[in-house]
Amino acid sequence: EAGVAQSPRYKIIEKRQSVAFWCNPISGHATLYWYQQILGQGPKLLIQFQNNGVVDDSQLPKDRFSAERLKGVDSTLKIQPAKLEDSAVYLCASSVSGGPYEQYFGPGTRLTVT
Amino acid sequence: AQSVAQPEDQVNVAEGNPLTVKCTYSVSGNPYLFWYVQYPNRGLQFLLKYITGDNLVKGSYGFEAEFNKSQTSFHLKKPSALVSDSALYFCAVSSEDSNYQLIWGAGTKLIIKP
Repeated sequence: EAGVAQSPRYKIIEKRQSVAFWCNPISGHATLYWYQQILGQGPKLLIQFQNNGVVDDSQLPKDRFSAERLKGVDSTLKIQPAKLEDSAVYLCASSVSGGPYEQYFGPGTRLTVT
Repeated sequence: AQSVAQPEDQVNVAEGNPLTVKCTYSVSGNPYLFWYVQYPNRGLQFLLKYITGDNLVKGSYGFEAEFNKSQTSFHLKKPSALVSDSALYFCAVSSEDSNYQLIWGAGTKLIIKP
């Protein structure tokens, strides 16, 4: 069974530029999550999708971050414009559903904003 | 408010010795508890979970964890540590009251010395 795929693995941009991350979850997983992980900390949930609907985006900085999962499969997360404090690892995860199920994570995208 | 505490930033263990990584939690309602491991430059890997039933849960790579309701703890254990167990370990909790959103600990760095 293929795992969660993410691209790119690394990205370096200047502040005020835009960037997009892509995620393809495990086949059949209805729930998809985007997390931000700052070095030395636990992941912080940015947004949760159930199929193509948003379940929770309360911690997404909506003035600069956006995400979509149009066909209920893969998803993109965009930052525009980027700030220095956005430097982090962006993790995508999926689970069979939104209940007490384990989440499976992709390798992450390490973003550096200079 | 729901929270997870991992009281040790780092745990050092000699290879072959037993290891324990501590986790305590605070949650309203029944807790669902998870352990994840993160190797350098890798995403998070699911190790084990407690949903209900037997308090001793066995997981991947020989790890196990014991759910203790009275002490609100879910410590991760392994009888004999391997150098390859060196990694960052995260405890997480969710509940129906939180819509199953995972609340993460800050992580514990486990170092196994040969």
